[in-house]
Amino acid sequence: SYELTQPPSVSVSPGQTARITCSGDPLPKQFAYWYQQKPGQAPVLVIYKDSERPSGIPERFSGSSSGATVTLTISGVQAEDEADYYCQSADSSGSSFVFGSGTKVTVL
Amino acid sequence: QVRLVESGGGVVQPGRSLRLSCAASGFTFSSYGVHWVRQAPGKGLEWMSVISYDGSDKNYADSVKGRFTISRDNAENTLYLQMNSLRSEDTAVYYCAKGDGHCSGSSCSYFDSWGQGTLVTVSS
Repeated sequence: SYELTQPPSVSVSPGQTARITCSGDPLPKQFAYWYQQKPGQAPVLVIYKDSERPSGIPERFSGSSSGATVTLTISGVQAEDEADYYCQSADSSGSSFVFGSGTKVTVL
Repeated sequence: QVRLVESGGGVVQPGRSLRLSCAASGFTFSSYGVHWVRQAPGKGLEWMSVISYDGSDKNYADSVKGRFTISRDNAENTLYLQMNSLRSEDTAVYYCAKGDGHCSGSSCSYFDSWGQGTLVTVSS
């Protein structure tokens, strides 16, 4: 199996931009997905296929990919964006799925 | 809208068994693969298992292979996870999650809806 590496934490002031990276060997070939999880709640998909945004997710959430690293960007961060964020990918056979270790975003 | 409701969690002694259920509604359950994902207290997300739309394909994480069995009843719109030989490290909130496709072969890549989870505590 493989690992996806994320920074443990990111701190950002309201209105600023938060960037969360996720690195892993499969990422140049496999799409990445991002989930937001607030305390006591289930995860919510915020980005799929590296950069697509599901309906209902604010435009300030965006995703990008470059080589073995994908990035979730939250522009104009709001207090409600304080949460844990996880990246995720799947192997090419669709039989194994891996999450990154998660990044806690703190809004100062 | 999609609704997934897990049940069956509780406190169980090491070595014993437990069966979790996930009742699905708001989508055509028989057309989608579904997963189990768990989260130990204070830890990250860990994928456990996936079953294809028709139950013909099943895959497991190495950590539970041979101990856990995933199944589904499309007539009842329900997903199951039979957990045997439970260990303390299986203590977690268990979520069911809807796949983005049939989950047969390589047709599934992510989790587009999640339940609220059910807590399993393995302790003597």
